[in-house]
Amino acid sequence: AQKITQTQPGMFVQEKEAVTLDCTYDTSDQSYGLFWYKQPSSGEMIFLIYQGSYDEQNATEGRYSLNFQKARKSANLVISASQLGDSAMYFCASYGGSQGNLIFGKGTKLSVKP
Amino acid sequence: DSGVTQTPKHLITATGQRVTLRCSPRSGDLSVYWYQQSLDQGLQFLIQYYNGEERAKGNILERFSAQQFPDLHSELNLSSLELGDSALYFCASSVGRRRAKSETQYFGPGTRLLVL
Repeated sequence: AQKITQTQPGMFVQEKEAVTLDCTYDTSDQSYGLFWYKQPSSGEMIFLIYQGSYDEQNATEGRYSLNFQKARKSANLVISASQLGDSAMYFCASYGGSQGNLIFGKGTKLSVKP
Repeated sequence: DSGVTQTPKHLITATGQRVTLRCSPRSGDLSVYWYQQSLDQGLQFLIQYYNGEERAKGNILERFSAQQFPDLHSELNLSSLELGDSALYFCASSVGRRRAKSETQYFGPGTRLLVL
């Protein structure tokens, strides 16, 4: 992807509810992948989930799932049954150009309210 | 725990100084990436090494250099430090198949650099 856009700087969600974090991407590649990472306040980057452009099913990983809409170039992260520990920054990323590095969106800060 | 280790966790130094950040990739991973995360620039790719050789270069300043050693650990050297170099520096590793756009990069805990 050449560009990753996350339009929600911050989101609030009530504990135990589901939340969707938006991600759109811009790419001319036919084959690509989308990644989501979580960055808690402690700073580490934790890999959550991956979606390949040719995957037939939306990716799921525990409470995380991807709402992948290829035609719209969106790969939204859905977190079900939010927990207080889900409060963090969430980044969407994809490989960019020919350099083989990940390009990240600006991130969404999720706050889970008790 | 991603399996990627970085040392030190925190580093405080003065302008003009030189520091070395160290990274050990996950066992079996051949590719190492360095990223810089700052408040104003977000996450920026600096450089990638694959099995000891430089593979890709991003927005890395000339004052910065890196290398990957035969045991696959990597070091990022930052010299003539400026206030603006204060950031969180991440190392990430992946298996390293050539041009694989589906490889997950696993990040280390980062080194938080503060330049005073």
